[in-house]
Parts: sequence; C-alpha cells; structure tokens
Amino acid sequence: DADVTQTPRNRITKTGKRIMLECSQTKGHDRMYWYRQDPGLGLRLIYYSFDVKDINKGEISDGYSVSRQAQAKFSLSLESAIPNQTALYFCATSDRDRPGETQYFGPGTRLLVL
Amino acid sequence: GEDVEQSLFLSVREGDSSVINCTYTDSSSTYLYWYKQEPGAGLQLLTYIFSNMDMKQDQRLTVLLNKKDKHLSLRIADTQTGDSAIYFCAEAWGDDKIIFGKGTRLHILP
Repeated sequence: DADVTQTPRNRITKTGKRIMLECSQTKGHDRMYWYRQDPGLGLRLIYYSFDVKDINKGEISDGYSVSRQAQAKFSLSLESAIPNQTALYFCATSDRDRPGETQYFGPGTRLLVL
Repeated sequence: GEDVEQSLFLSVREGDSSVINCTYTDSSSTYLYWYKQEPGAGLQLLTYIFSNMDMKQDQRLTVLLNKKDKHLSLRIADTQTGDSAIYFCAEAWGDDKIIFGKGTRLHILP
C-alpha cells in the first residue's frame, strides 16, 4: 500500500465551487505539506504543518485553507475555486527528526477548474 | 529571496552520461536535493547532499556541490531509457521548507 495517498486523483469543478483535497499518510510523520505544480513553474508550497496544532502559510496560500485533522491527515480546501487554481496538487510528508532525508510525496491530484 | 534555477530541457543519447545543473541562492541551505518525477507520477526523492559535503555518489548517480558558486549538479552515468523524467533540484530553506526549481526534462535519444 502507498505510504501517502491523495483523494481524489482527478477532479473537475466549476468556478465558485468549494472543493476539498485530502491527504493521508501511514508513515507516522509529524510534518505534512501541500504543494501545487504548474507547467514551467515547478512546485510551490501552499501550506505546511509541523504537527496537529502547527499550521503555516507557504508562498502561495491565498485562496486556500487547510485542516490537520489528525497526525495522519491533512486536507486542502479551495473555498471558491477559480480557473487559475487549475494545477497538479501534491501532498508530502517528512519526519521531524530527519526532515531533509525523508520527504515522501503522494501521487498527486489533478484539478481542473472550469 | 530564495530561488533555485535549472535549465528546462536536456537531451542525451542512451549510454552517455547526463549532467543536470542547478544554481541556488540561499547560502544557509542545510540540504540540497534531487527529485525525479516520471510521467503521471509524484516526486521521488532521488538523492540528497548535506551542505557541508562536496560530493556524494550512489551507484550511477553523482552529486557535486560547489558552495562557493552555489552550484549543484547531478550526473547520471550510462543513461538509460528509464531515466527519462523531469528532475527537480531543491534546497531546504528556513524551517525545513523546500524550495524547488522548475525542473529539467531529460530526454533520452536512441
């Protein structure tokens, strides 16, 4: 079984709709991250969480919110989706004690906002 | 601000060595990474190097770090068709946030 899972894997939605992307991990890691990937722009950090009570904004948090429901779960919400949020979204986890060595990425969620 | 730069495309013949280059801006980086992304897949941590190291070798992969020039490279020896992917350079910045380059697409010629 995959260590980091994301649901859904693909989603099409309309402008103005609320959508939630979910991430679960079985690694037991404290740290979780949400990134978006756009062609030609690489990965950009949206939000990150060092533990259940610690949520931090990344470089492009506007238009997004997150919830760390448990150590193993970190969800990303688009309150009112807009077309320029069309992207590939990745969740990642890392170990508090070895963050640089142990970054694990989920398979990604491909989101299309019409 | 922090930035990671890498060329967007590299074309190499099968069996030759591939060298993917990257420059970064944050001299206080603790880790520097190379990730591989195959089509339709997430990112896979390929290798990493501590900032106090100059070189790291792992089978066909060699990572060279020039801290003075803030230059990182990944050499893949005996490039195979399975090496065709996008390779991302990244650096750890601040509280272990990772800053990624835009990725280099490696294309393998027969």
